[in-house]
Amino acid sequence: AQSVTQPDIHITVSEGASLELRCNYSYGATPYLFWYVQSPGQGLQLLLKYFSGDTLVQGIKGFEAEFKRSQSSFNLRKPSVHWSDAAEYFCAVGASGTYKYIFGTGTRLKVLA
Amino acid sequence: NAGVTQTPKFQVLKTGQSMTLQCAQDMNHEYMSWYRQDPGMGLRLIHYSVGAGITDQGEVPNGYNVSRSTTEDFPLRLLSAAPSQTSVYFCASSYSQRGGSEQFFGPGTRLTVL
Repeated sequence: AQSVTQPDIHITVSEGASLELRCNYSYGATPYLFWYVQSPGQGLQLLLKYFSGDTLVQGIKGFEAEFKRSQSSFNLRKPSVHWSDAAEYFCAVGASGTYKYIFGTGTRLKVLA
Repeated sequence: NAGVTQTPKFQVLKTGQSMTLQCAQDMNHEYMSWYRQDPGMGLRLIHYSVGAGITDQGEVPNGYNVSRSTTEDFPLRLLSAAPSQTSVYFCASSYSQRGGSEQFFGPGTRLTVL
């Protein structure tokens, strides 16, 4: 069955430090993978997505993610975190040709000044 | 271009009351969906629609009804609210039902059922 796991519920980093948010998925074929960000009181906004091709994808706000098939992972990274990055981050997987779009449980990021 | 809009932003109901959460999009997207967001559970799909007149159930449909009379609107109805329906509700749309399509989300409705 399709599933998405975000093992870290909360992460705290200092401003300027690097960031990596973990995402593991379970899916029989090559999935469509997404990272969304949710600022407090807001809806979700797409950061980046992976469909095929280059396994390192660039997104908005300086984020990138790397698809690793052997590890079933799609981790989100940012080299230097800004205070405005404090938000909740969701990994999601989509299955081609179906409505199935499964979200992880989210990772809440706190940024220390 | 307003994107996906939802009303109301906040709502408090008493157990047994009914209400409709409104959702509209102006991007001519065929696919629309409703999610609920609960702490520690991410987003769970309630109902979805692949076009006007076509709806189907998602992961957690019980207690909710939907209809899709136009491409633009996709209201979610709670017929008899229960405390378990206290949640934040998000409407989303995409140009295609395919799993690879980016979904655009509304700002959400925070519902409390007493």
